[in-house]
Amino acid sequence: DQQVKQNSPSLSVQEGRISILNCDYTNSMFDYFLWYKKYPAEGPTFLISISSIKDKNEDGRFTVFLNKSAKHLSLHIVPSQPGDSAVYFCAASDRGVGNTGKLIFGQGTTLQVKP
Amino acid sequence: NAGVTQTPKFQVLKTGQSMTLQCAQDMNHNSMYWYRQDPGMGLRLIYYSASEGTTDKGEVPNGYNVSRLNKREFSLRLESAAPSQTSVYFCASSAPWEQETQYFGPGTRLLVL
Repeated sequence: DQQVKQNSPSLSVQEGRISILNCDYTNSMFDYFLWYKKYPAEGPTFLISISSIKDKNEDGRFTVFLNKSAKHLSLHIVPSQPGDSAVYFCAASDRGVGNTGKLIFGQGTTLQVKP
Repeated sequence: NAGVTQTPKFQVLKTGQSMTLQCAQDMNHNSMYWYRQDPGMGLRLIYYSASEGTTDKGEVPNGYNVSRLNKREFSLRLESAAPSQTSVYFCASSAPWEQETQYFGPGTRLLVL
């Protein structure tokens, strides 16, 4: 049973436009969410996170929105740049179980930003 | 400051062979993790170690063993490789005050024939 789902395997946007990547989760115990970015032949790198006590977190061009009632989060990239082309993974954690750092990842969404 | 390093980068095994994937970090992190990445599955946690001397199972531990050799090193062993273990393996580490912000190595691509 996939507890974290990214239903769009791929997304293509034009440079300068907004990219919106979506993620849904089923486990209501998740209380911390992250986005990781991965380039080919490299390991994932942390991008941005949000605690369940917030509904928005912003870092430069990247904003994550959390809708707890819908169990949905999204990553907005504005404006999108060709260097943003990568695979984006959503991840979730239940900090109530001793804060072990155990993450559940979604399947990933491949973003292509066209010049 | 190399971060997280993994060896080897690529390995081909025959079914039934054994091998150990090595991981080391130089960030003085307490926690270390092993993940596998398969197409359409995202990353799945195999084992993790919250501190030197402790290890715990993740989502998909069957067929694997781990050793936290010291604070820097965390190895993953396949005792009898199976084609289902063909995957890309990532090691990661994190600091105790921010466990979920994990730093990943470049990965080991494993092919089991």
